[in-house]
Amino acid sequence: GQQVMQIPQYQHVQEGEDFTTYCNSSTTLSNIQWYKQRPGGHPVFLIQLVKSGEVKKQKRLTFQFGEAKKNSSLHITATQTTDVGTYFCAGPIYTGTASKLTFGTGTRLQVTL
Amino acid sequence: KAGVTQTPRYLIKTRGQQVTLSCSPISGHRSVSWYQQTPGQGLQFLFEYFSETQRNKGNFPGRFSGRQFSNSRSEMNVSTLELGDSALYLCASSLEIGTGSYGYTFGSGTRLTVV
Repeated sequence: GQQVMQIPQYQHVQEGEDFTTYCNSSTTLSNIQWYKQRPGGHPVFLIQLVKSGEVKKQKRLTFQFGEAKKNSSLHITATQTTDVGTYFCAGPIYTGTASKLTFGTGTRLQVTL
Repeated sequence: KAGVTQTPRYLIKTRGQQVTLSCSPISGHRSVSWYQQTPGQGLQFLFEYFSETQRNKGNFPGRFSGRQFSNSRSEMNVSTLELGDSALYLCASSLEIGTGSYGYTFGSGTRLTVV
């Protein structure tokens, strides 16, 4: 079926190192969203990208939507311990009757001092 | 403004029992989606309601059902509980259905444990 995959599944970095997670959809997406879930918490909406090739920044976080609108990436510069959590991408996928927001498999980020 | 409220936060049930979970969306949001989150399967879509109508349904057995009331509050029910139903059940509200164009706001979830 139509899926949204993310790599890597897990990454462990030292504080100050950079981090990137990649998101790939089996189908073209009208938009891509990113969420962060802290350990023991719930997903929190970070940002939405709509245009092909779009790049958005939020402080140390850079989000990119691919030209074909089938892939996306999230890059964190100089990670901090507050960045710990699981990052999910999500995109609307049409199921034949309606679209459903389908979440990627997630990338768990661990940051140590 | 108040966020998405899910009750109860924690629940322990026995196999074969049924359970009802509740979700109150953000005021003004008419779309409510439900997701099941487990360590192995990630976030799996259960169903979405908009204006009291189920607009979309995921690949879950008929034991999983839901409804939405006129005030947009939603409930989901799981009958004949199985051990594999143990999970975090998340409710999300949004202004639009399906595309989530304005992003989803999640509640804190209900942690269901089936023993």
